[in-house]
Amino acid sequence: AQSVTQLGSHVSVSEGALVLLRCNYSSSVPPYLFWYVQYPNQGLQLLLKYTSAATLVKGINGFEAEFKKSETSFHLTKPSAHMSDAAEYFCALGNEKLTFGTGTRLTIIP
Amino acid sequence: EPEVTQTPSHQVTQMGQEVILRCVPISNHLYFYWYRQILGQKVEFLVSFYNNEISEKSEIFDDQFSVERPDGSNFTLKIRSTKLEDSAMYFCASSEAMISNQPQHFGDGTRLSIL
Repeated sequence: AQSVTQLGSHVSVSEGALVLLRCNYSSSVPPYLFWYVQYPNQGLQLLLKYTSAATLVKGINGFEAEFKKSETSFHLTKPSAHMSDAAEYFCALGNEKLTFGTGTRLTIIP
Repeated sequence: EPEVTQTPSHQVTQMGQEVILRCVPISNHLYFYWYRQILGQKVEFLVSFYNNEISEKSEIFDDQFSVERPDGSNFTLKIRSTKLEDSAMYFCASSEAMISNQPQHFGDGTRLSIL
């Protein structure tokens, strides 16, 4: 069975500081991994995807994630947080059927 | 950029009533999905649909649920006799293909409130 664990339901960082959102997965087959972002009253927007071509994946809005098979992790980072990054972030695993983590709400402190 | 659109944005229904949630997937997409998110919980897969038939469904998707693509553009989710526990945000998604480099694109959701 596949599963996704996101550590930290709430993360607060200062504007300009590093953003690190954690995601660990469990999968019996090589995983397809995604990060989605949800702004208030909106749907899920794809930030980036891991498709086994490269372990460091760059996405939109300056975000990137690194796939580490040995750690079964796919953490999301951004070097410098912006106020507009405040949202809920979901890590997801799968292909036809996506399995989502519980989400991390990111708050940016001015 | 093409979008998945969902209507209505909010639906309030009495328990026991039928409800139909509507979605217009991205026009060249072939695979369609419904997910739901109960308040404070994970986004959960309900069903996937391809070539006019269900390709996979979860345990949640019981006989009270059905999906249909009535024409070339709409994709609907019907709940036959709603229960209080059906209250959730329902997301429609679509993808060009069911492979890793063709991710699922989501709509803004329909918030379903059962009274």
